[in-house]
Amino acid sequence: EAQVTQNPRYLITVTGKKLTVTCSQNMNHEYMSWYRQDPGLGLRQIYYSMNVEVTDKGDVPEGYKVSRKEKRNFPLILESPSPNQTSLYFCASSDWHGNIQYFGAGTRLSVL
Amino acid sequence: QKEVEQDPGPLSVPEGAIVSLNCTYSNSAFQYFMWYRQYSRKGPELLMYTYSSGNKEDGRFTAQVDKSSKYISLFIRDSQPSDSATYLCAMSEGRGGAGSYQLTFGKGTKLSVIP
Repeated sequence: EAQVTQNPRYLITVTGKKLTVTCSQNMNHEYMSWYRQDPGLGLRQIYYSMNVEVTDKGDVPEGYKVSRKEKRNFPLILESPSPNQTSLYFCASSDWHGNIQYFGAGTRLSVL
Repeated sequence: QKEVEQDPGPLSVPEGAIVSLNCTYSNSAFQYFMWYRQYSRKGPELLMYTYSSGNKEDGRFTAQVDKSSKYISLFIRDSQPSDSATYLCAMSEGRGGAGSYQLTFGKGTKLSVIP
């Protein structure tokens, strides 16, 4: 089954404690992306990657890091989480066309 | 001015009604127009995908794009309680090269279909 898998689904942490949210896709897609979704603000792109070792900033990259060492994986790293990063996070992937993106089920993060 | 405007609702309709959901946009370079459906506590899933202007039909769903008015619509015929979800419009320029893969989303319209 074609899918984008995020882990963990739920995470509660404290300010400053480094965390990683993993994302994996099994569709051999070149393009992967991270979004955050907040009430009243909608989906906003954090980072995206057009292929292995190629990443670029989206609209709200501050406080986040990503890496793309393998085609299937695109982890999101919060090196020093802050409460304003409490949000619902989605990973997405797409083939070269880029316009049809498949989303993971989401990771709900709370930073205390 | 925001790039994509979408009425957040909520929109509540009786079962069987025709639903009309809309988005307006300001970027005339947008060429690809998508509608995503998001159930509560789930990720968005692609519902309809249209290139440039025109209509596209898929079962009970019809997507319309009017590039001259910068206006897109999603119609749901014979709405069902299972259609209750948040509907997000999304658009991209699709030029090729860096940046063309970025989707710009509306904030979503929450729809409830009452049995």
